Amino acid sequence: QSALTQPASVSGSPGQSITISCTGTSSDVGSYNLVSWYQQHPGKAPKLMIYEVSKRPSGVSNRFSGSKSGNTASLTISGLQAEDEADYYCCSYAGSSTFVFGTGTKVTVL
Amino acid sequence: EVQLVESGGGLVQPGRSLRLSCTASGFTFGDYAMSWVRQAPGKGLEWVGFIRSKAYGGTTEYAASVKGRFTISRDDSKSIAYLQMNSLKTEDTAVYYCSRLLFRPYYFDYWGQGTLVTVSS
Repeated sequence: QSALTQPASVSGSPGQSITISCTGTSSDVGSYNLVSWYQQHPGKAPKLMIYEVSKRPSGVSNRFSGSKSGNTASLTISGLQAEDEADYYCCSYAGSSTFVFGTGTKVTVL
Repeated sequence: EVQLVESGGGLVQPGRSLRLSCTASGFTFGDYAMSWVRQAPGKGLEWVGFIRSKAYGGTTEYAASVKGRFTISRDDSKSIAYLQMNSLKTEDTAVYYCSRLLFRPYYFDYWGQGTLVTVSS
């Protein structure tokens, strides 16, 4: 099972919006509305940011939003802030009780 | 407050075994599935496997890369999940994270800080 494809890096200036894509296949992202997104700062544990494609856990800023079209899911960060600089990973349920993570995207705030 | 604390990592030779523990607090451990996710140095996250709660049979699922070598178990009386790793390979070198898995809708809502496993001769 191959990792979901994410861009290696995305950058933006403070206040701007950026979007991170997460491309899978019809066996994972395309088949289930079970995509989640995780933020990971260097040396830290991942943190859940989005689940079920577009739902935000309590305590996560509404500047983070998720969507999906076909085999590609997306995470948008609006009003980019310095604290958003981190690595971001998507994850999809892939059927048969298995999961697949994305390759990861490094977000840089210019 | 939900807390997950991993322990048991360290340096181990190829072919040997190691057992990791994940001690949970702040929630009713037995009600939740628990998962292990690893991250090789400088690399991305890789799902390792999970164990269902007893309500769902307490059964386990594994990634193809570890199936047959790794075993996940749980002790609900102690609120601990285990990852038994046998026949370790150099490519198993990683930080191993324990996470709580929300079973159906399938996402990892809380994570531990991880424990480093280094497989080297």
